[in-house]
Amino acid sequence: DVQMTQSPISLSASVGDRVTITCRASEDINVWVAWYQQKSGQVPKLLMHIAFGLERGVPSRFSGTGSGTDFTLTISNLQPEDSATYYCQQANMFPLAFGGGTKVEVK
Amino acid sequence: QLQLQESGPGLVEPSETLSLTCTVSGGPLDDSESHWGWIRQPPGKGLEWIGSIFHLGGSHSKSSLKSRISLSVDTSKNQFSLKLRSLSAADTAIYYCARLNQGFDFWGPGIPVTVSS
Repeated sequence: DVQMTQSPISLSASVGDRVTITCRASEDINVWVAWYQQKSGQVPKLLMHIAFGLERGVPSRFSGTGSGTDFTLTISNLQPEDSATYYCQQANMFPLAFGGGTKVEVK
Repeated sequence: QLQLQESGPGLVEPSETLSLTCTVSGGPLDDSESHWGWIRQPPGKGLEWIGSIFHLGGSHSKSSLKSRISLSVDTSKNQFSLKLRSLSAADTAIYYCARLNQGFDFWGPGIPVTVSS
């Protein structure tokens, strides 16, 4: 089974900063990684359905890169509303798996 | 707009079976491009994929849960269901149903389930 390892577990940054979250797959998953944002007490929201494919309505300050085993989610010009936990998920094959999550605090 | 809604008990006793149903509205369950899935989130923890099913009945589940899980689909009711057997306190979580279409793009609001006597 493919395992997904996210880092860091948490980070704190200021408004306007650029932050990067990393996700590593235990084997090659091509570009099939999805990214989610979950704000406190809310349902997860799909940000990207493929390593670089932004969902409709997601601000362009969110971007993704990567292929194979290493993926990144970058938030440029961090905003207060970006405070949330972010998860990656491998979508290449069953069984699916989520990463452990990265909690982003906006100072 | 597609909507999903979980239903089932909020409290289940240890060793019993949890039965949850997800009702899909605003679109067909028999979409050839979509799978339908269950994800859970224990209190204060991360997301855990449990299993997914296609409208024709083919299913996949998390390896560690495979012996305890049954997934089914009823296209006439636009519903899909999860049964999880032999519950323990470790199964206490919010259970979400969601559509899988290159990522889980539509989610139900989630149903909290507590395993306790």
